[in-house]
Amino acid sequence: EPEVTQTPSHQVTQMGQEVILRCVPISNHLYFYWYRQILGQKVEFLVSFYNNEISEKSEIFDDQFSVERPDGSNFTLKIRSTKLEDSAMYFCASSEAKRNEQFFGPGTRLTVL
Amino acid sequence: QKEVEQNSGPLSVPEGAIASLNCTYSDRGSQSFFWYRQYSGKSPELIMFIYSNGDKEDGRFTAQLNKASQYVSLLIRDSQPSDSATYLCAVNMGGTSYDKVIFGPGTSLSVIP
Repeated sequence: EPEVTQTPSHQVTQMGQEVILRCVPISNHLYFYWYRQILGQKVEFLVSFYNNEISEKSEIFDDQFSVERPDGSNFTLKIRSTKLEDSAMYFCASSEAKRNEQFFGPGTRLTVL
Repeated sequence: QKEVEQNSGPLSVPEGAIASLNCTYSDRGSQSFFWYRQYSGKSPELIMFIYSNGDKEDGRFTAQLNKASQYVSLLIRDSQPSDSATYLCAVNMGGTSYDKVIFGPGTSLSVIP
């Protein structure tokens, strides 16, 4: 069964460093998403992406965040200068069509020291 | 502020009983509604997707949607210990935010053998 994959599973970085989280969405899906979940808190929407551009973003997704689909299969989230409060699980999701079911990857645990 | 609310629980039911999980949402224009299951340390796993008023059944799970009351519920019949998890209600926003999904805080379910 097709699934969303994410790498790495765990990323440890120093405050102020740049990190890139990678995702491979399900192959025939057209809509891509990033979410984060701080430990013990709810899942929070960050950004949605369709047709090579951002279609929606939350107030969390400020100038230090960016997304890219560098090729036909990968979808990346870049955090330019990490802060302690960026420590969280980051989930990628994909969907075949807008407002349809979103399937989540296993997540990347980001730890900022 | 558009919100999705759930009882945090924990909700405890005996094995074989029906578990009833509830969710309310504030955006009257919301279009699509999802129930995810999340085990501790894992990513959300899609259980149900519903967009029309009424009931939708899939195996032991039934989702019920009432847009007039801005209410969506999940019933789990013949609850099993393996159903013990946190259940997340998620709502696709309406209007121009069609690509934004807001999650509730989740309800923790414990099925007692």
